[in-house]
Amino acid sequence: KQEVTQIPAALSVPEGENLVLNCSFTDSAIYNLQWFRQDPGKGLTSLLLIQSSQREQTSGRLNASLDKSSGRSTLYIAASQPGDSATYLCAVSPTDSNYQLIWGAGTKLIIKP
Amino acid sequence: SAVISQKPSRDICQRGTSLTIQCQVDSQVTMMFWYRQQPGQSLTLIATANQGSEATYESGFVIDKFPISRPNLTFSTLTVSNMSPEDSSIYLCSVAGQGNYEQYFGPGTRLTVT
Repeated sequence: KQEVTQIPAALSVPEGENLVLNCSFTDSAIYNLQWFRQDPGKGLTSLLLIQSSQREQTSGRLNASLDKSSGRSTLYIAASQPGDSATYLCAVSPTDSNYQLIWGAGTKLIIKP
Repeated sequence: SAVISQKPSRDICQRGTSLTIQCQVDSQVTMMFWYRQQPGQSLTLIATANQGSEATYESGFVIDKFPISRPNLTFSTLTVSNMSPEDSSIYLCSVAGQGNYEQYFGPGTRLTVT
Protein backbone atom coordinates (compact mmCIF):
# COMPACT_ATOMS: atom_id res chain seq x y z
CA LYS A 1 0.00 0.00 0.00
CA GLN A 2 1.39 3.38 -1.02
CA GLU A 3 2.17 5.74 1.82
CA VAL A 4 3.34 9.32 1.49
CA THR A 5 5.25 11.08 4.23
CA GLN A 6 6.23 14.73 4.51
CA ILE A 7 8.95 15.94 6.81
CA PRO A 8 9.03 18.24 8.63
CA ALA A 9 5.41 18.74 9.66
CA ALA A 10 6.14 22.40 10.33
CA LEU A 11 8.96 24.77 9.46
CA SER A 12 9.64 28.37 10.39
CA VAL A 13 12.43 30.32 8.69
CA PRO A 14 13.42 33.97 8.30
CA GLU A 15 12.55 35.77 5.11
CA GLY A 16 15.11 35.47 2.34
CA GLU A 17 16.34 31.99 3.18
CA ASN A 18 16.35 29.14 0.72
CA LEU A 19 14.55 26.05 2.00
CA VAL A 20 13.74 22.46 1.11
CA LEU A 21 10.57 20.53 1.82
CA ASN A 22 10.69 16.75 1.68
CA CYS A 23 8.24 14.15 0.46
CA SER A 24 8.84 10.39 0.50
CA PHE A 25 6.73 7.56 -0.84
CA THR A 26 6.95 3.81 -0.27
CA ASP A 27 6.05 2.45 -3.74
CA SER A 28 8.05 3.62 -6.73
CA ALA A 29 5.27 2.61 -9.15
CA ILE A 30 3.94 6.13 -9.60
CA TYR A 31 2.59 7.91 -12.65
CA ASN A 32 3.31 11.40 -11.41
CA LEU A 33 3.86 13.49 -8.30
CA GLN A 34 2.29 16.86 -7.60
CA TRP A 35 3.11 19.61 -5.16
CA PHE A 36 0.28 21.82 -3.95
CA ARG A 37 -0.02 24.88 -1.78
CA GLN A 38 -2.93 25.49 0.58
CA ASP A 39 -3.57 28.75 2.38
CA PRO A 40 -5.54 28.54 5.65
CA GLY A 41 -9.18 27.67 5.07
CA LYS A 42 -8.74 27.75 1.31
CA GLY A 43 -8.55 25.36 -1.61
CA LEU A 44 -5.41 23.94 -3.17
CA THR A 45 -3.21 25.54 -5.78
CA SER A 46 -1.20 23.22 -8.01
CA LEU A 47 2.44 24.28 -7.96
CA LEU A 48 4.34 21.67 -9.93
CA LEU A 49 3.69 18.30 -11.49
CA ILE A 50 6.52 15.89 -12.21
CA GLN A 51 5.92 12.94 -14.47
CA SER A 52 7.55 9.67 -13.43
CA SER A 53 10.01 9.95 -16.34
CA GLN A 54 11.16 13.42 -15.28
CA ARG A 55 13.79 14.40 -12.75
CA GLU A 56 12.71 17.95 -11.97
CA GLN A 57 10.38 20.80 -12.78
CA THR A 58 10.85 24.51 -12.19
CA SER A 59 8.44 27.39 -11.86
CA GLY A 60 9.80 30.75 -10.81
CA ARG A 61 11.43 30.41 -7.40
CA LEU A 62 10.21 26.84 -7.03
CA ASN A 63 12.07 23.72 -8.10
CA ALA A 64 10.76 20.22 -7.51
CA SER A 65 12.90 17.13 -7.96
CA LEU A 66 11.95 13.48 -8.17
CA ASP A 67 14.05 10.41 -7.44
CA LYS A 68 11.62 7.62 -8.11
CA SER A 69 14.02 4.80 -7.30
CA SER A 70 14.60 6.09 -3.78
CA GLY A 71 11.00 7.22 -3.31
CA ARG A 72 11.80 10.87 -2.71
CA SER A 73 10.82 14.29 -3.92
CA THR A 74 11.95 17.69 -2.73
CA LEU A 75 10.46 21.13 -3.19
CA TYR A 76 13.08 23.85 -3.15
CA ILE A 77 11.95 27.41 -2.50
CA ALA A 78 14.50 30.10 -3.24
CA ALA A 79 14.64 33.49 -1.52
CA SER A 80 11.59 32.82 0.64
CA GLN A 81 9.02 35.58 1.20
CA PRO A 82 6.28 36.01 3.84
CA GLY A 83 3.74 35.34 1.07
CA ASP A 84 5.14 31.82 0.77
CA SER A 85 3.66 31.01 4.18
CA ALA A 86 1.18 28.19 3.63
CA THR A 87 0.83 24.44 3.96
CA TYR A 88 2.57 22.50 1.22
CA LEU A 89 1.18 19.12 0.22
CA CYS A 90 2.62 16.47 -2.02
CA ALA A 91 0.58 13.74 -3.64
CA VAL A 92 1.46 10.79 -5.86
CA SER A 93 -0.63 9.15 -8.53
CA PRO A 94 -0.15 5.37 -8.75
CA THR A 95 0.43 3.75 -12.12
CA ASP A 96 -2.60 1.50 -11.78
CA SER A 97 -4.97 4.39 -11.14
CA ASN A 98 -3.81 7.53 -12.88
CA TYR A 99 -6.53 9.73 -11.44
CA GLN A 100 -6.10 8.68 -7.85
CA LEU A 101 -3.96 10.78 -5.54
CA ILE A 102 -2.26 9.51 -2.40
CA TRP A 103 -1.60 12.44 -0.08
CA GLY A 104 1.04 13.41 2.39
CA ALA A 105 -0.03 15.18 5.57
CA GLY A 106 1.65 18.42 4.54
CA THR A 107 4.34 20.76 5.79
CA LYS A 108 3.18 24.00 7.38
CA LEU A 109 5.64 26.70 6.39
CA ILE A 110 5.95 30.04 8.13
CA ILE A 111 8.24 32.71 6.70
CA LYS A 112 9.09 35.33 9.30
CA PRO A 113 9.50 38.92 8.06
CA SER B 1 -5.19 24.39 -16.58
CA ALA B 2 -8.81 24.58 -15.44
CA VAL B 3 -10.62 27.24 -13.47
CA ILE B 4 -13.01 25.84 -10.91
CA SER B 5 -15.59 27.65 -8.82
CA GLN B 6 -17.60 26.38 -5.89
CA LYS B 7 -20.75 27.59 -4.23
CA PRO B 8 -21.24 28.34 -1.44
CA SER B 9 -17.81 29.33 -0.21
CA ARG B 10 -18.90 28.71 3.36
CA ASP B 11 -22.02 27.91 5.32
CA ILE B 12 -23.16 27.30 8.86
CA CYS B 13 -25.89 24.67 9.05
CA GLN B 14 -27.97 23.07 11.73
CA ARG B 15 -27.75 19.43 12.65
CA GLY B 16 -30.10 17.23 10.63
CA THR B 17 -30.32 19.48 7.60
CA SER B 18 -28.72 19.00 4.16
CA LEU B 19 -26.47 21.22 2.08
CA THR B 20 -25.79 21.00 -1.65
CA ILE B 21 -22.42 22.21 -2.89
CA GLN B 22 -21.98 23.18 -6.52
CA CYS B 23 -18.82 22.84 -8.59
CA GLN B 24 -18.45 24.56 -11.96
CA VAL B 25 -15.50 24.12 -14.35
CA ASP B 26 -14.61 26.44 -17.22
CA SER B 27 -13.94 23.55 -19.62
CA GLN B 28 -15.30 20.09 -20.31
CA VAL B 29 -13.72 17.39 -18.17
CA THR B 30 -14.25 13.68 -17.96
CA MET B 31 -13.70 13.10 -14.28
CA MET B 32 -14.49 15.24 -11.29
CA PHE B 33 -13.62 14.40 -7.74
CA TRP B 34 -15.01 15.36 -4.38
CA TYR B 35 -12.77 15.54 -1.33
CA ARG B 36 -13.25 16.24 2.34
CA GLN B 37 -10.65 17.88 4.53
CA GLN B 38 -11.40 17.73 8.22
CA PRO B 39 -9.77 20.30 10.53
CA GLY B 40 -6.03 19.81 10.69
CA GLN B 41 -6.11 16.81 8.36
CA SER B 42 -5.08 16.08 4.81
CA LEU B 43 -7.55 15.40 2.03
CA THR B 44 -9.78 12.34 1.85
CA LEU B 45 -11.41 11.34 -1.42
CA ILE B 46 -15.17 10.96 -1.10
CA ALA B 47 -16.08 9.92 -4.63
CA THR B 48 -15.26 10.15 -8.31
CA ALA B 49 -18.00 11.56 -10.54
CA ASN B 50 -18.16 10.68 -14.23
CA GLN B 51 -20.69 12.31 -16.48
CA GLY B 52 -23.51 9.94 -17.40
CA SER B 53 -22.79 7.29 -14.80
CA GLU B 54 -23.14 6.69 -11.10
CA ALA B 55 -20.47 8.16 -8.86
CA THR B 56 -17.88 5.79 -7.43
CA TYR B 57 -17.59 6.11 -3.65
CA GLU B 58 -14.54 5.41 -1.55
CA SER B 59 -14.60 3.18 1.49
CA GLY B 60 -16.43 4.86 4.35
CA PHE B 61 -18.61 7.05 2.15
CA VAL B 62 -22.11 6.12 0.96
CA ILE B 63 -24.49 7.54 -1.58
CA ASP B 64 -27.29 8.09 0.93
CA LYS B 65 -25.09 10.40 2.95
CA PHE B 66 -23.25 12.09 0.05
CA PRO B 67 -25.38 11.96 -3.10
CA ILE B 68 -23.60 13.34 -6.16
CA SER B 69 -24.95 14.57 -9.46
CA ARG B 70 -22.99 15.05 -12.67
CA PRO B 71 -25.46 16.28 -15.28
CA ASN B 72 -22.86 17.47 -17.81
CA LEU B 73 -19.13 17.75 -18.44
CA THR B 74 -18.70 21.08 -16.63
CA PHE B 75 -20.84 20.78 -13.51
CA SER B 76 -21.33 18.60 -10.44
CA THR B 77 -23.02 18.80 -7.07
CA LEU B 78 -22.32 17.11 -3.76
CA THR B 79 -25.02 16.99 -1.10
CA VAL B 80 -24.14 16.45 2.54
CA SER B 81 -27.27 14.90 4.01
CA ASN B 82 -28.60 14.74 7.54
CA MET B 83 -25.62 16.66 8.81
CA SER B 84 -23.95 16.24 12.17
CA PRO B 85 -21.11 18.25 13.74
CA GLU B 86 -18.69 15.55 12.52
CA ASP B 87 -19.43 16.69 8.96
CA SER B 88 -17.82 20.06 9.66
CA SER B 89 -15.03 20.17 7.07
CA ILE B 90 -13.81 21.84 3.95
CA TYR B 91 -15.29 20.15 0.89
CA LEU B 92 -13.31 20.45 -2.33
CA CYS B 93 -13.97 19.47 -5.89
CA SER B 94 -11.21 18.81 -8.36
CA VAL B 95 -10.76 17.83 -11.98
CA ALA B 96 -8.01 15.97 -13.78
CA GLY B 97 -6.43 17.26 -16.94
CA GLN B 98 -6.29 15.07 -20.00
CA GLY B 99 -2.98 13.42 -20.76
CA ASN B 100 -0.86 14.25 -17.74
CA TYR B 101 -3.70 13.83 -15.19
CA GLU B 102 -2.67 16.96 -13.32
CA GLN B 103 -5.37 17.79 -10.82
CA TYR B 104 -6.84 21.23 -10.26
CA PHE B 105 -8.88 22.18 -7.25
CA GLY B 106 -11.71 24.54 -6.51
CA PRO B 107 -11.51 27.08 -3.67
CA GLY B 108 -13.42 24.80 -1.32
CA THR B 109 -16.60 25.06 0.73
CA ARG B 110 -16.12 25.50 4.46
CA LEU B 111 -19.00 23.81 6.24
CA THR B 112 -19.73 24.22 9.93
CA VAL B 113 -22.51 22.14 11.48
CA THR B 114 -23.91 23.28 14.80
